[in-house]
Amino acid sequence: AQSVTQLDSQVPVFEEAPVELRCNYSSSVSVYLFWYVQYPNQGLQLLLKYLSGSTLVESINGFEAEFNKSQTSFHLRKPSVHISDTAEYFCAARLYAGGTSYGKLTFGQGTILTVHP
Amino acid sequence: IAGITQAPTSQILAAGRRMTLRCTQDMRHNAMYWYRQDLGLGLRLIHYSNTAGTTGKGEVPDGYSVSRANTDDFPLTLASAVPSQTSVYFCASSDPKTGGVQYFGAGTRLSVL
Repeated sequence: AQSVTQLDSQVPVFEEAPVELRCNYSSSVSVYLFWYVQYPNQGLQLLLKYLSGSTLVESINGFEAEFNKSQTSFHLRKPSVHISDTAEYFCAARLYAGGTSYGKLTFGQGTILTVHP
Repeated sequence: IAGITQAPTSQILAAGRRMTLRCTQDMRHNAMYWYRQDLGLGLRLIHYSNTAGTTGKGEVPDGYSVSRANTDDFPLTLASAVPSQTSVYFCASSDPKTGGVQYFGAGTRLSVL
């Protein structure tokens, strides 16, 4: 069985400061990893994903995440946050083998990022 | 492109009543999912369907049922609602060609009194 742990339930930060949202997963097999963002009263939207290749993946709005297999982590970072980044962020993992994903997407508990002016 | 459409947006329901939450997708994805979201618990999978005609139980299936008569529709039914089913419900679909990325609807906020 796999599990996903987001280490911080809430992260307050001031505008233009850097931020890191932590995510660890546990799995005995290979996984695909995802970060989703949820703005108030909306559904989840994919922010970025790691499937294979470069361990550093980036989103179009300045977020990046690095897959670290030895530490089983997939932390999300942004060097300078904006007010508009205020949202809840979910880390998720899905098993795969032979290039084909299988099993369910397992979500972490979520981290609420609040950016203050 | 509509993506995933859920209805209703919100509902207040008396305990013991039957309720069906609707979900329709226009992306022709084979796999669809129902989650509930509760504060501090993240998203928990209720039921899923890998393809039309098949369904499976997720992490918290008790009190819920689903059907998948065709590719586009995946309704979730609460046969006899209880207050513990008060939650926000999300429907999603996925495309295996993209590593299983899931696409979510806007959610249904359900209150059972």
